[in-house]
Amino acid sequence: DTAVSQTPKYLVTQMGNDKSIKCEQNLGHDTMYWYKQDSKKFLKIMFSYNNKELIINETVPNRFSPKSPDKAHLNLHINSLELGDSAVYFCASSPLVGDFGFTDTQYFGPGTRLTVL
Amino acid sequence: AQSVAQPEDQVNVAEGNPLTVKCTYSVSGNPYLFWYVQYPNRGLQFLLKYITGDNLVKGSYGFEAEFNKSQTSFHLKKPSALVSDSALYFCAVRRPGNQFYFGTGTSLTVIP
Repeated sequence: DTAVSQTPKYLVTQMGNDKSIKCEQNLGHDTMYWYKQDSKKFLKIMFSYNNKELIINETVPNRFSPKSPDKAHLNLHINSLELGDSAVYFCASSPLVGDFGFTDTQYFGPGTRLTVL
Repeated sequence: AQSVAQPEDQVNVAEGNPLTVKCTYSVSGNPYLFWYVQYPNRGLQFLLKYITGDNLVKGSYGFEAEFNKSQTSFHLKKPSALVSDSALYFCAVRRPGNQFYFGTGTSLTVIP
């Protein structure tokens, strides 16, 4: 069984469109993340959700909005797509461990390659 | 401030030779350190982590890493490289507040 899954695997779209990427994890983890990997393979965290609350929001344009309908899902919605949004987007999840709720090892999905034309 | 650095973009090693992929960190307190591997067109896979305890951590596929507090390093090592080890390797640190930061990645090529 796939632990962290993303759909679609590939997404090709025109500038200005709105699109969503879905992510689901069946690991029972408490925290989920979205990362962007650019053409140079740099990995940048975009968002993370813990118990449906946004706990990290890096300097990401507000065209990007994470939506978490439940603990097992964290979808990424992108409005008014731009050329620079072309990248591979990874979803990940991790458990909380210990008395202080530290996040532990992250498990990544296979990625969604977004191409904006 | 940079939290984790991988000084080498590319590492080449001959098959059967030992390999080292370097990582240094800069966080206050006790760091949580991780290594991940990414094969082409795949997501990142966890290799190993250091939380506390023994400075030498053993992980998947025969990899190990040594935590060195005085040098603030967490280099990834393997005694004998395989061609199948060729991939992109990321070092990561969990900072206070449960924020994860990844290094810029090191591309490892094992030459037959």
